[in-house]
Amino acid sequence: GAVVSQHPSRVICKSGTSVKIECRSLDFQATTMFWYRQFPKKSLMLMATSNEGSKATYEQGVEKDKFLINHASLTLSTLTVTSAHPEDSSFYICSARDAGSKGDEQYFGPGTRLTVT
Amino acid sequence: AQTVTQSQPEMSVQEAETVTLSCTYDTSENNYYLFWYKQPPSRQMILVIRQEAYKQQNATENRFSVNFQKAAKSFSLKISDSQLGDTAMYFCAFMRGGTSGSRLTFGEGTQLTVNP
Repeated sequence: GAVVSQHPSRVICKSGTSVKIECRSLDFQATTMFWYRQFPKKSLMLMATSNEGSKATYEQGVEKDKFLINHASLTLSTLTVTSAHPEDSSFYICSARDAGSKGDEQYFGPGTRLTVT
Repeated sequence: AQTVTQSQPEMSVQEAETVTLSCTYDTSENNYYLFWYKQPPSRQMILVIRQEAYKQQNATENRFSVNFQKAAKSFSLKISDSQLGDTAMYFCAFMRGGTSGSRLTFGEGTQLTVNP
């Protein structure tokens, strides 16, 4: 089956620094990837939609200069949290849509827990 | 805009029994998909079952089945013969069809606990 990986699984960084999270589709090509944020015991909140070779589309209220998204290849999208602050601490999940599938199915990565101290 | 509502924040069931999780949605679209995802304590999102809106037949996957009522915009999940491993957060989700790269809209989730 389709597998999506995320790296790192956990990261702790100091306030003011930047951190990059990678999302890879391992066995399929993903023209579209999605980035979500999830708070404890809450639902997934879509942050942005990432299309290969073009600029990401951000949801209302998400700061594009703070959450930089790059989708440079059909198997890799990255989310960079710039000048991180403690309120950015959260669980970040990516998903990828299989460009070769007929059903628009999305496959999810295992998530990255970010803690900003 | 589409909305998805799960009105049961928490539910519990005894092992081997049956439980039904509720989901309603609102949309003006005619072509769409509905999903149930499971998120266990590992937090990996796992697709449980999917339903195409144009299909009248309810989807089933082993112990999991749905009751899809298109006119009522209802999409409930029935878990039969509940197992301890079914303990998880369950999310109902909506996706528009026919558009490349459509986004998922999630409900707020239902925490299901299966008791031994």
